[in-house]
Amino acid sequence: DAGITQSPRHKVTETGTPVTLRCHQTENHRYMYWYRQDPGHGLRLIHYSYGVKDTDKGEVSDGYSVSRSKTEDFLLTLESATSSQTSVYFCAISEPGVTVRETQYFGPGTRLLVL
Amino acid sequence: DQQVKQNSPSLSVQEGRISILNCDYTNSMFDYFLWYKKYPAEGPTFLISISSIKDKNEDGRFTVFLNKSAKHLSLHIVPSQPGDSAVYFCAASGRDTDKLIFGTGTRLQVFP
Repeated sequence: DAGITQSPRHKVTETGTPVTLRCHQTENHRYMYWYRQDPGHGLRLIHYSYGVKDTDKGEVSDGYSVSRSKTEDFLLTLESATSSQTSVYFCAISEPGVTVRETQYFGPGTRLLVL
Repeated sequence: DQQVKQNSPSLSVQEGRISILNCDYTNSMFDYFLWYKKYPAEGPTFLISISSIKDKNEDGRFTVFLNKSAKHLSLHIVPSQPGDSAVYFCAASGRDTDKLIFGTGTRLQVFP
């Protein structure tokens, strides 16, 4: 299994509060991703990073920001949590090879409930 | 606009039989396809992939078939086992991108 941890694993918060989720990897992979999983939507990309301090938006980035100051850590911040951000959040990593596309490996997930 | 579609939300198969999970895509630029398996309270795990230069890829009990003209791929599991009970996600990516587009998933239940 790829060395990916996410913290916290579970969180309950109130609407309007800021929340930060952490993804930590020990694989030294260059690419990191944040997804959310919701019923009827599958996995949707929020933000991704292709290197330290290099990030870009995904499909559902509104209301989220990210930071990557070290190769091993990728932080996802909900600036002001809303009930629509109640979801399960997954971090993933990949290492580009000869081709651009390489398999992504996922962390265990963080279950977030916004009341 | 759902570019990757898994039209069957669930599938129930008897142990020992074949499980066939289907996935359709709309973007003709997709040329790399993956299947992930997800157990409850865990992250998705990579199962098998296929490049558009192939029409079949096999790994043990798992085989993925790609029909480019129909923009359709399928995952065959033979024989199905109770431990295969999980949600299966199909994913696709296009040329010159490192992003994956996921389907909505199919829940497979294998019963004795």
